[in-house]
Amino acid sequence: AQSVTQLGSHVSVSEGALVLLRCNYSSSVPPYLFWYVQYPNQGLQLLLKYTTGATLVKGINGFEAEFKKSETSFHLTKPSAHMSDAAEYFCAVSDLRSGGSNYKLTFGKGTLLTVNP
Amino acid sequence: KAGVTQTPRYLIKTRGQQVTLSCSPISGHRSVSWYQQTPGQGLQFLFEYFSETQRNKGNFPGRFSGRQFSNSRSEMNVSTLELGDSALYLCASSSRQGVYNEQFFGPGTRLTVL
Repeated sequence: AQSVTQLGSHVSVSEGALVLLRCNYSSSVPPYLFWYVQYPNQGLQLLLKYTTGATLVKGINGFEAEFKKSETSFHLTKPSAHMSDAAEYFCAVSDLRSGGSNYKLTFGKGTLLTVNP
Repeated sequence: KAGVTQTPRYLIKTRGQQVTLSCSPISGHRSVSWYQQTPGQGLQFLFEYFSETQRNKGNFPGRFSGRQFSNSRSEMNVSTLELGDSALYLCASSSRQGVYNEQFFGPGTRLTVL
């Protein structure tokens, strides 16, 4: 079964500092990888996704992530944190179930990002 | 375009009761997925409906069921509620079948079981 591990349930950075949120996955087949963000009292919003092709993926709000197959990682980064980036971030993996075209989406437990002024 | 709407936003029930949650997808979207979010288990996939048919299912007991109507609106039902069913239930819609496509999430329904 596939799984997603997000290292650090809570990450705190200063405004203007680098944001690095870690995600490692286990999957027996090449996965689709996603990062979602959840603001308080709201649903999730897609930040970026990797399906095939270029391993460095750029998303909204200045975020990007790099798919590293050898490390089974898909870490999310942003060069300079803004106060508005404070939210909970979820990494998710989808792979093809055996025997069909259904994809199961598995989420990590989430990382709460706080940005200090 | 209006986003995904979920009703009600908050719900309080007692053990043993049943509950129905509603989700209206973005206009034109035919895929609706449901997720349960709890502090302990995180986000877990319940099921996906596309064109009124359940296409994909997570590992939840049969007490959790759903349906989709011809206008793509979806309902989720939980029977014989347990304390552990207290959670935020999120609905997401997509223009195509398959949870690997970009999904647009609603704000959720917060269910509390007493």
